Amino acid sequence: AQSVAQPEDQVNVAEGNPLTVKCTYSVSGNPYLFWYVQYPNRGLQFLLKYITGDNLVKGSYGFEAEFNKSQTSFHLKKPSALVSDSALYFCAVRDPGYSTLTFGKGTMLLVSP
Amino acid sequence: DTEVTQTPKHLVMGMTNKKSLKCEQHMGHRAMYWYKQKAKKPPELMFVYSYEKLSINESVPSRFSPECPNSSLLNLHLHALQPEDSALYLCASSQDFRVPPTDTQYFGPGTRLTVL
Repeated sequence: AQSVAQPEDQVNVAEGNPLTVKCTYSVSGNPYLFWYVQYPNRGLQFLLKYITGDNLVKGSYGFEAEFNKSQTSFHLKKPSALVSDSALYFCAVRDPGYSTLTFGKGTMLLVSP
Repeated sequence: DTEVTQTPKHLVMGMTNKKSLKCEQHMGHRAMYWYKQKAKKPPELMFVYSYEKLSINESVPSRFSPECPNSSLLNLHLHALQPEDSALYLCASSQDFRVPPTDTQYFGPGTRLTVL
C-alpha cells in the first residue's frame, strides 16, 4: 500500500520569507511524487514531480521540492513567498506497482503581506 | 497546452433529476478520471478510463454512471442523487496511466454540484 502524510494543516509565512510545506510518503518501491496547488473554487494545478535523478526538482511559479530517500520526504519549498501563493497544497505519491495517485490531506498555505 | 475543460461550472439539481457533467481534453491523453472533492479535503477517485474502457471503479454508487464516448470526452451521468453527493467534481486526464514514469494528471476546473 502507498500513503502520504502532510503533517501540517496550515502553514503561515510572511511575504518575502522562505516557505516550506512538508510531505512524507510510504511506498513499497521507488516512488513517483507530485505536488499540486488548488486555489479557491478551482481545480488542482500541477506544480512539479519527482521520478528519478536529481533530488532537487524545480517546478512552476518558482517552487521547488527536495526528495530525500532516507527520510522518505518530499518537501515543497520557495525562497520568497508571495501573497498570491496562498492556496491549498496537495502532495501525492504513486508506487510504480500501483495504478493510481494517493493524495495527502492537504496543507493550507497563508502568506501575509 | 495542458487544458482540461469541464461544463457546467455550477449545477443545482433535485434528488429526482437526471443531469450530466462533461469533460473534454485535446492533449491526446488516453486516460481520463473522475474525482469527487469535498471542501478542503483531497480528491477522491471515482472512475478511471484507459483507452476509452472503464479500468477502475472505486465502488461508486450506481447513481453515478460514467461514459467515455471517445478519447477526448468524458461524461458523468447523474440520477437520483442525495444531498451528501454535493461536492466539487473534478475531471483529469493523463497520457497513459499504465506507464507511471511519464504519467502526470492534469485537472479541469471542476463542476460545483449542489443536490437539494
